Amino acid sequence: GNSVTQMEGPVTLSEEAFLTINCTYTATGYPSLFWYVQYPGEGLQLLLKATKADDKGSNKGFEATYRKETTSFHLEKGSVQVSDSAVYFCALIFNDYKLSFGAGTTVTVRA
Amino acid sequence: NAGVTQTPKFQVLKTGQSMTLQCAQDMNHEYMSWYRQDPGMGLRLIHYSVGAGITDQGEVPNGYNVSRSTTEDFPLRLLSAAPSQTSVYFCASSYSDGQPQHFGDGTRLSIL
Repeated sequence: GNSVTQMEGPVTLSEEAFLTINCTYTATGYPSLFWYVQYPGEGLQLLLKATKADDKGSNKGFEATYRKETTSFHLEKGSVQVSDSAVYFCALIFNDYKLSFGAGTTVTVRA
Repeated sequence: NAGVTQTPKFQVLKTGQSMTLQCAQDMNHEYMSWYRQDPGMGLRLIHYSVGAGITDQGEVPNGYNVSRSTTEDFPLRLLSAAPSQTSVYFCASSYSDGQPQHFGDGTRLSIL
Protein backbone atom coordinates (compact mmCIF):
# COMPACT_ATOMS: atom_id res chain seq x y z
CA GLY A 1 0.00 0.00 0.00
CA ASN A 2 0.87 3.66 -0.03
CA SER A 3 2.94 5.05 2.83
CA VAL A 4 5.02 8.05 3.81
CA THR A 5 8.10 8.14 6.03
CA GLN A 6 9.40 11.44 7.31
CA MET A 7 12.03 12.60 9.75
CA GLU A 8 10.22 12.82 13.07
CA GLY A 9 12.38 15.30 14.95
CA PRO A 10 11.84 17.36 16.98
CA VAL A 11 14.00 19.85 15.16
CA THR A 12 15.25 22.99 16.93
CA LEU A 13 16.92 25.74 14.92
CA SER A 14 18.08 29.31 15.33
CA GLU A 15 16.55 32.07 13.24
CA GLU A 16 18.01 32.35 9.72
CA ALA A 17 19.22 28.73 9.79
CA PHE A 18 18.64 26.31 6.91
CA LEU A 19 15.84 23.78 7.37
CA THR A 20 15.52 20.38 5.72
CA ILE A 21 12.86 17.81 6.57
CA ASN A 22 13.27 14.49 4.81
CA CYS A 23 10.28 12.67 3.33
CA THR A 24 10.25 9.44 1.33
CA TYR A 25 7.27 7.55 0.03
CA THR A 26 6.16 4.13 -1.11
CA ALA A 27 3.40 3.95 -3.69
CA THR A 28 2.28 1.89 -6.65
CA GLY A 29 2.59 4.35 -9.51
CA TYR A 30 3.03 8.10 -9.28
CA PRO A 31 1.17 9.81 -6.47
CA SER A 32 0.58 13.50 -5.89
CA LEU A 33 2.72 14.76 -3.01
CA PHE A 34 1.95 17.43 -0.43
CA TRP A 35 3.42 19.24 2.54
CA TYR A 36 0.96 20.43 5.16
CA VAL A 37 1.77 22.71 8.10
CA GLN A 38 0.01 22.83 11.46
CA TYR A 39 0.56 25.91 13.61
CA PRO A 40 -0.08 25.59 17.36
CA GLY A 41 -3.77 25.13 18.15
CA GLU A 42 -4.82 25.14 14.50
CA GLY A 43 -5.80 22.70 11.78
CA LEU A 44 -3.64 21.66 8.85
CA GLN A 45 -2.96 24.03 6.00
CA LEU A 46 -1.61 23.07 2.61
CA LEU A 47 1.92 24.45 2.29
CA LEU A 48 2.87 23.19 -1.17
CA LYS A 49 2.27 20.37 -3.60
CA ALA A 50 3.72 18.56 -6.63
CA THR A 51 1.77 16.30 -8.93
CA LYS A 52 4.41 14.75 -11.18
CA ALA A 53 8.08 13.84 -11.27
CA ASP A 54 10.55 16.77 -11.21
CA ASP A 55 7.81 19.24 -10.24
CA LYS A 56 8.92 21.77 -7.64
CA GLY A 57 6.35 23.05 -5.19
CA SER A 58 7.06 26.33 -3.43
CA ASN A 59 5.33 28.67 -0.99
CA LYS A 60 6.36 31.11 1.76
CA GLY A 61 10.06 30.46 1.04
CA PHE A 62 9.64 26.67 1.36
CA GLU A 63 10.46 24.35 -1.54
CA ALA A 64 10.19 20.64 -2.27
CA THR A 65 11.01 18.72 -5.45
CA TYR A 66 9.27 15.50 -6.51
CA ARG A 67 12.13 13.02 -7.05
CA LYS A 68 10.87 9.86 -8.69
CA GLU A 69 14.29 8.17 -8.76
CA THR A 70 14.71 8.44 -4.98
CA THR A 71 10.95 8.44 -4.15
CA SER A 72 11.50 11.57 -2.08
CA PHE A 73 9.91 14.97 -1.47
CA HIS A 74 12.20 16.74 0.99
CA LEU A 75 11.10 20.11 2.37
CA GLU A 76 13.65 22.94 2.49
CA LYS A 77 13.81 26.57 3.55
CA GLY A 78 16.90 28.67 3.33
CA SER A 79 16.34 31.03 6.26
CA VAL A 80 13.74 30.16 8.89
CA GLN A 81 11.91 32.60 11.14
CA VAL A 82 10.33 32.16 14.57
CA SER A 83 6.95 32.22 12.82
CA ASP A 84 7.89 28.97 11.00
CA SER A 85 7.64 27.04 14.28
CA ALA A 86 5.01 24.40 13.59
CA VAL A 87 4.44 20.73 12.85
CA TYR A 88 5.08 19.75 9.22
CA PHE A 89 3.42 16.74 7.57
CA CYS A 90 4.37 15.05 4.33
CA ALA A 91 1.45 13.34 2.58
CA LEU A 92 0.46 11.64 -0.65
CA ILE A 93 -2.65 10.84 -2.68
CA PHE A 94 -2.73 8.20 -5.37
CA ASN A 95 -5.74 8.06 -7.70
CA ASP A 96 -8.29 8.55 -4.94
CA TYR A 97 -9.35 10.89 -2.18
CA LYS A 98 -7.44 9.31 0.68
CA LEU A 99 -4.42 11.13 2.07
CA SER A 100 -1.63 9.05 3.59
CA PHE A 101 0.36 11.09 6.12
CA GLY A 102 3.79 10.86 7.61
CA ALA A 103 4.14 11.05 11.39
CA GLY A 104 4.87 14.78 11.39
CA THR A 105 7.97 16.78 12.29
CA THR A 106 7.89 19.39 15.03
CA VAL A 107 10.06 22.38 14.20
CA THR A 108 10.96 25.02 16.78
CA VAL A 109 12.82 28.15 15.69
CA ARG A 110 14.53 30.18 18.41
CA ALA A 111 15.19 33.91 18.14
CA ASN B 1 -15.79 32.32 3.73
CA ALA B 2 -16.11 29.72 6.50
CA GLY B 3 -14.48 26.70 4.81
CA VAL B 4 -14.64 23.62 7.06
CA THR B 5 -16.27 24.19 10.45
CA GLN B 6 -15.96 21.71 13.31
CA THR B 7 -17.86 21.76 16.58
CA PRO B 8 -17.21 21.51 19.45
CA LYS B 9 -13.56 22.57 19.79
CA PHE B 10 -13.11 20.74 23.09
CA GLN B 11 -15.05 17.96 24.81
CA VAL B 12 -14.57 15.74 27.83
CA LEU B 13 -16.56 12.52 28.07
CA LYS B 14 -16.83 9.65 30.48
CA THR B 15 -16.23 6.10 29.30
CA GLY B 16 -19.40 4.70 27.76
CA GLN B 17 -20.96 8.03 26.85
CA SER B 18 -21.94 8.81 23.30
CA MET B 19 -21.52 11.98 21.31
CA THR B 20 -21.45 13.42 17.81
CA LEU B 21 -18.69 15.56 16.39
CA GLN B 22 -20.06 17.97 13.82
CA CYS B 23 -18.43 18.94 10.53
CA ALA B 24 -19.82 21.28 7.90
CA GLN B 25 -18.31 22.74 4.73
CA ASP B 26 -19.63 25.51 2.50
CA MET B 27 -17.47 24.90 -0.56
CA ASN B 28 -19.74 22.35 -2.26
CA HIS B 29 -17.03 19.71 -1.96
CA GLU B 30 -18.00 16.14 -2.78
CA TYR B 31 -15.33 14.46 -0.71
CA MET B 32 -15.26 14.67 3.09
CA SER B 33 -13.24 12.72 5.62
CA TRP B 34 -12.47 12.32 9.30
CA TYR B 35 -8.97 11.84 10.72
CA ARG B 36 -7.62 11.39 14.19
CA GLN B 37 -4.25 12.80 15.21
CA ASP B 38 -2.20 11.05 17.85
CA PRO B 39 1.38 11.85 18.91
CA GLY B 40 4.02 10.24 16.67
CA MET B 41 1.40 8.72 14.35
CA GLY B 42 0.48 11.54 12.03
CA LEU B 43 -3.14 11.62 10.94
CA ARG B 44 -5.05 8.41 10.37
CA LEU B 45 -8.19 8.17 8.27
CA ILE B 46 -11.31 7.04 10.17
CA HIS B 47 -14.12 7.30 7.61
CA TYR B 48 -14.68 9.12 4.37
CA SER B 49 -17.45 9.99 1.94
CA VAL B 50 -17.30 10.66 -1.80
CA GLY B 51 -20.77 12.19 -1.91
CA ALA B 52 -24.14 12.42 -0.22
CA GLY B 53 -25.39 8.97 0.74
CA ILE B 54 -21.99 7.31 0.24
CA THR B 55 -19.58 6.50 3.07
CA ASP B 56 -16.71 4.07 3.51
CA GLN B 57 -14.21 2.98 6.13
CA GLY B 58 -10.69 4.27 6.40
CA GLU B 59 -7.71 2.94 8.30
CA VAL B 60 -9.15 3.04 11.85
CA PRO B 61 -12.98 2.87 11.68
CA ASN B 62 -13.77 0.76 14.76
CA GLY B 63 -15.86 2.55 17.37
CA TYR B 64 -17.01 5.27 14.99
CA ASN B 65 -20.05 5.75 12.74
CA VAL B 66 -20.70 8.31 10.03
CA SER B 67 -23.51 9.35 7.72
CA ARG B 68 -23.73 11.81 4.83
CA SER B 69 -27.29 12.96 4.27
CA THR B 70 -26.27 16.26 2.65
CA THR B 71 -23.26 17.50 0.71
CA GLU B 72 -22.48 20.03 3.45
CA ASP B 73 -22.50 17.90 6.62
CA PHE B 74 -20.52 14.86 7.71
CA PRO B 75 -20.99 14.07 11.43
CA LEU B 76 -18.85 11.54 13.29
CA ARG B 77 -20.52 9.51 16.04
CA LEU B 78 -18.93 7.78 18.98
CA LEU B 79 -21.53 5.31 20.24
CA SER B 80 -19.72 4.23 23.43
CA ALA B 81 -16.61 6.29 24.16
CA ALA B 82 -13.43 4.54 25.26
CA PRO B 83 -10.20 6.07 26.65
CA SER B 84 -8.39 4.89 23.49
CA GLN B 85 -10.48 7.39 21.56
CA THR B 86 -8.86 10.32 23.33
CA SER B 87 -7.40 12.26 20.44
CA VAL B 88 -7.65 15.33 18.26
CA TYR B 89 -10.16 14.86 15.44
CA PHE B 90 -9.97 16.66 12.12
CA CYS B 91 -12.54 16.90 9.38
CA ALA B 92 -11.42 17.65 5.82
CA SER B 93 -13.00 18.18 2.42
CA SER B 94 -11.89 18.43 -1.20
CA TYR B 95 -13.50 19.14 -4.54
CA SER B 96 -12.32 16.02 -6.34
CA ASP B 97 -9.91 13.14 -6.13
CA GLY B 98 -6.24 13.99 -6.08
CA GLN B 99 -6.92 17.57 -4.97
CA PRO B 100 -5.60 19.11 -1.74
CA GLN B 101 -7.92 18.78 1.20
CA HIS B 102 -9.15 21.66 3.35
CA PHE B 103 -9.06 20.98 7.09
CA GLY B 104 -11.12 22.23 9.98
CA ASP B 105 -9.52 23.50 13.19
CA GLY B 106 -10.07 20.21 15.01
CA THR B 107 -11.94 18.87 18.03
CA ARG B 108 -9.86 17.92 21.07
CA LEU B 109 -11.63 15.00 22.75
CA SER B 110 -10.73 13.49 26.12
CA ILE B 111 -12.32 10.29 27.40
CA LEU B 112 -11.98 9.70 31.14
